[in-house]
Amino acid sequence: GAGVSQSPSNKVTEKGKDVELRCDPISGHTALYWYRQSLGQGLEFLIYFQGNSAPDKSGLPSDRFSAERTGGSVSTLTIQRTQQEDSAVYLCASSPRGLAGDTGELFFGEGSRLTVL
Amino acid sequence: QKEVEQNSGPLSVPEGAIASLNCTYSDRGSQSFFWYRQYSGKSPELIMSIYSNGDKEDGRFTAQLNKASQYVSLLIRDSQPSDSATYLCAVQSNTGNQFYFGTGTSLTVIP
Repeated sequence: GAGVSQSPSNKVTEKGKDVELRCDPISGHTALYWYRQSLGQGLEFLIYFQGNSAPDKSGLPSDRFSAERTGGSVSTLTIQRTQQEDSAVYLCASSPRGLAGDTGELFFGEGSRLTVL
Repeated sequence: QKEVEQNSGPLSVPEGAIASLNCTYSDRGSQSFFWYRQYSGKSPELIMSIYSNGDKEDGRFTAQLNKASQYVSLLIRDSQPSDSATYLCAVQSNTGNQFYFGTGTSLTVIP
């Protein structure tokens, strides 16, 4: 597709359930980032992928959070045993990091809004 | 201390005025700096990037960088109601692996 695609756009779940959020980056983009944005807050870094590797996962808030990226493309963020404080918008961004044309710009998807009841 | 600090606002300016948004950062090794605009309920979009000390102009927008003072600013001239949004300052870490974002400044341009 032309842009970063995220699904689902909205997810309502019960406390204790597991959720998976998907990100399909711009084709050819080597870098992929996950951020979390709570109401009225800035973007909280979660994890960065370069290709399929995650050289920086320092932002994952707990061991309930995990992420993977396959084929240098699609990424899945998994939250196990969700808690109410996990409610936020989860944003994915990609960039052509390290390639010609890399200006540092991040291209964001529309986000997945997670509500944990 | 947060990596990137911004005044959260809200900042209100009349239509046609200059809006001034400020940002400070803590990583002295940072080399790349960005301003993103985020409309309510939407994702951030890049409006300006700056890498060298001084001013960079693009239309009604001017970004200013002072690495010695670890300070970045964004000026919006001839502000329009369509400029009403939250403006996020972002700084790329010296390793290049992370982009640190401020909490954003909410701008309202009053017609």
